[in-house]
Amino acid sequence: GQQVMQIPQYQHVQEGEDFTTYCNSSTTLSNIQWYKQRPGGHPVFLIQLVKSGEVKKQKRLTFQFGEAKKNSSLHITATQTTDVGTYFCAGYYTGNQFYFGTGTSLTVIP
Amino acid sequence: DGGITQSPKYLFRKEGQNVTLSCEQNLNHDAMYWYRQDPGQGLRLIYYSQIVNDFQKGDIAEGYSVSREKKESFPLTVTSAQKNPTAFYLCASSIYPGNNFAYGYTFGSGTRLTVV
Repeated sequence: GQQVMQIPQYQHVQEGEDFTTYCNSSTTLSNIQWYKQRPGGHPVFLIQLVKSGEVKKQKRLTFQFGEAKKNSSLHITATQTTDVGTYFCAGYYTGNQFYFGTGTSLTVIP
Repeated sequence: DGGITQSPKYLFRKEGQNVTLSCEQNLNHDAMYWYRQDPGQGLRLIYYSQIVNDFQKGDIAEGYSVSREKKESFPLTVTSAQKNPTAFYLCASSIYPGNNFAYGYTFGSGTRLTVV
């Protein structure tokens, strides 16, 4: 099946530092979604990107979709302890399912 | 409030036994999905259903079975044929058809299955 690679697997940052996670696909994506899963919780939908080169912002979170629609990133500015969790990307190709990345676990040190 | 209810939250099963995980949604979503989550492996699709009385295998369907007799319900049975069933199971739903998933998937709170 298709694969979406996500890096890094883990990231520890001091509170106030920035954080970025990256997703890459070997083939062109139709669209990509981002989810956040708090420790012990379930994934919660954050956003969907559809257009080539698209950039969307949600407060301190910035989401980008690459020009070739093969990669995406999530950047958090000035992390807070509430940002702790695992961030997943999910890529959609032609077909009927999203393929989830392996996730990046973010730890924020107060 | 609309949402997805998964039960039970924790489930213990003896080897060789079948077990059924419940998933009910009141969001009026057409599509429903079952994912398995293991540490370091992300979410892997087991089965999905786009309409009642129809479902499709995902990437890791072996050892699992599902039914979709009602729009609201999509139970998953973990059979004794599943070699390594201990995992966190997540049910999700979404608006369908097509790939207009602007609102994303809505996930339930999950069932943690342990084989003892």
